[in-house]
Amino acid sequence: AQSVTQLDSQVPVFEEAPVELRCNYSSSVSVYLFWYVQYPNQGLQLLLKYLSGSTLVESINGFEAEFNKSQTSFHLRKPSVHISDTAEYFCAVSRGEYGNKLVFGAGTILRVKS
Amino acid sequence: GAVVSQHPSWVICKSGTSVKIECRSLDFQATTMFWYRQFPKQSLMLMATSNEGSKATYEQGVEKDKFLINHASLTLSTLTVTSAHPEDSSFYICSATTGLRVLRGLAGVSYEQYFGPGTRLTVT
Repeated sequence: AQSVTQLDSQVPVFEEAPVELRCNYSSSVSVYLFWYVQYPNQGLQLLLKYLSGSTLVESINGFEAEFNKSQTSFHLRKPSVHISDTAEYFCAVSRGEYGNKLVFGAGTILRVKS
Repeated sequence: GAVVSQHPSWVICKSGTSVKIECRSLDFQATTMFWYRQFPKQSLMLMATSNEGSKATYEQGVEKDKFLINHASLTLSTLTVTSAHPEDSSFYICSATTGLRVLRGLAGVSYEQYFGPGTRLTVT
């Protein structure tokens, strides 16, 4: 079985500062890795994913995550955050393509302050 | 992008009554829908997987007679919490996925899960 640990429940950061949201997973088989974002009063949206190939994946709004197999991590980073990045971020793993079951971490609330 | 709606967004009911939550894919056909439950400050936990026209597959520990799931069409799945009790109070979230992406006339294969905004259930 797979499990996901998000080490920080909340991360406060000032606008334009860098941020890292940590995610570690455990699995006895190869997995696919995802980051989802949930803005207030909205559904979860896929931010970025790692399926195969390059271990560094990027989103269209400046976030990136690096798959590290040896450390079983998939940390999310952004070099300079904006107020609009305030949201809850969920790390998730699945054994297969998107259609397979997802196992989620507990979520990290990113609070960007001005 | 693909939109999934849930209705109601929140509901309060008395202990012993039943509550139905709807999950709709608004602009695509969902061959599979998932139902999740989220307790405060905890992960989303998968409750069941629902395929259109067939019985739902429940995760271990989820009572299928208590959480009735119906996926009668390619755009609608319902979750009915029967004889609700205060411990059933939670945030229920659905997601939908399709094997074929037909959004905006683009053809392709997509299995991405699209999530609804969730339903807050409070049982008093």
